[in-house]
Amino acid sequence: LAKTTQPISMDSYEGQEVNITCSHNNIATNDYITWYQQFPSQGPRFIIQGYKTKVTNEVASLFIPADRKSSTLSLPRVSLSDTAVYYCLVGLAYSGAGSYQLTFGKGTKLSVIP
Amino acid sequence: NAGVTQTPKFQVLKTGQSMTLQCAQDMNHEYMSWYRQDPGMGLRLIHYSVGAGITDQGEVPNGYNVSRSTTEDFPLRLLSAAPSQTSVYFCASSRTGRLPTDTQYFGPGTRLTVL
Repeated sequence: LAKTTQPISMDSYEGQEVNITCSHNNIATNDYITWYQQFPSQGPRFIIQGYKTKVTNEVASLFIPADRKSSTLSLPRVSLSDTAVYYCLVGLAYSGAGSYQLTFGKGTKLSVIP
Repeated sequence: NAGVTQTPKFQVLKTGQSMTLQCAQDMNHEYMSWYRQDPGMGLRLIHYSVGAGITDQGEVPNGYNVSRSTTEDFPLRLLSAAPSQTSVYFCASSRTGRLPTDTQYFGPGTRLTVL
């Protein structure tokens, strides 16, 4: 299972673009890169997933360079409501019985300042 | 769809008491799982199920039991509560759990305190 490294915390002002980078040097060929968001007192919520190049949805963009050893989650024009912990997950651990499990690290705590 | 629901939202137990945390999903998902989250930590997998009648242990299963008699429900039982089980518990489900692209949907959590 690929180990991921991401900053423990980040601060940003409202209206700015925020980029959170995740390093995953030993990513495997079949691994996808997935980001989850967790607000205080809530369960994690899926944000975006990608395999290579760039993926964009209504919430965020995910940039993955050709070597796939890192990825960057980009949040455009953040607001106070984007204050949350963001988790980068790479690959899935095989749990047995043909299933896979997510492995969460400690994530990046993003604080948006007014 | 209500998604993934959990009850209760909060619970206080005394050491040695038992209780069941309830989890239900209405998305007809095959895969369901339980995680615990301790302060400053990521989520750790307790137990999971790939379908009705099938359960297995995750990373931290000791002190917990599960069963899956229906597709919708996946209760987590604490047999004899200990202070070390004070945590926030999240239930999650996904369509199959067998594909790397399956999205997991999480419930709102149960905050458990064991005195």
